[in-house]
Amino acid sequence: GDSVTQMEGPVTLSEEAFLTINCTYTATGYPSLFWYVQYPGEGLQLLLKATKADDKGSNKGFEATYRKETTSFHLEKGSVQVSDSAVYFCALRWGAQKLVFGQGTRLTINP
Amino acid sequence: KAGVTQTPRYLIKTRGQQVTLSCSPISGHRSVSWYQQTPGQGLQFLFEYFSETQRNKGNFPGRFSGRQFSNSRSEMNVSTLELGDSALYLCASSSSKGQAAPGELFFGEGSRLTVL
Repeated sequence: GDSVTQMEGPVTLSEEAFLTINCTYTATGYPSLFWYVQYPGEGLQLLLKATKADDKGSNKGFEATYRKETTSFHLEKGSVQVSDSAVYFCALRWGAQKLVFGQGTRLTINP
Repeated sequence: KAGVTQTPRYLIKTRGQQVTLSCSPISGHRSVSWYQQTPGQGLQFLFEYFSETQRNKGNFPGRFSGRQFSNSRSEMNVSTLELGDSALYLCASSSSKGQAAPGELFFGEGSRLTVL
């Protein structure tokens, strides 16, 4: 079945560092891909998405490109802030079907 | 407009009891989904309701059930609680009009269930 694999956490960086969180997926065909963020004590918020191959999703300085050749959707940010500390989830979805999530990556940014 | 509202936010139950969680979707949203979040299993899909009908179901035992009312509010019920049911239960709503027009999912803050 479909699955999503994220890099193991936790990830700890200093403020203004470059961030990459790896995400790869296994699926037959080309589902939509998403990154969600969960701040402490809150639910999930959609961070960005891409619905077809080679699309780039971007929001709040974060970017991810849908790479069908490598079945990847890595999350990047050029300069992280303390406020970016959260848990990040990569996910895939077929149309209106369920979201299939990766295991989540906890990110901590130190000032 | 108001977001997805889940009640209660926190609750503690003992093994064998049952629990009902409530979710009020964003106004106008007719699709409601439920997910279970645990440290060990991560985020797993429970079920989805659209216009009072269960449209999709995850791989959970029959102790987990849900329903949706005509005003799109949804409840999920877990009977005969087990320790392993301790989790954050997240509800999400969307403006989905069908399988081909999924709509973005908006999540509530969750109901944290502890089973003792």
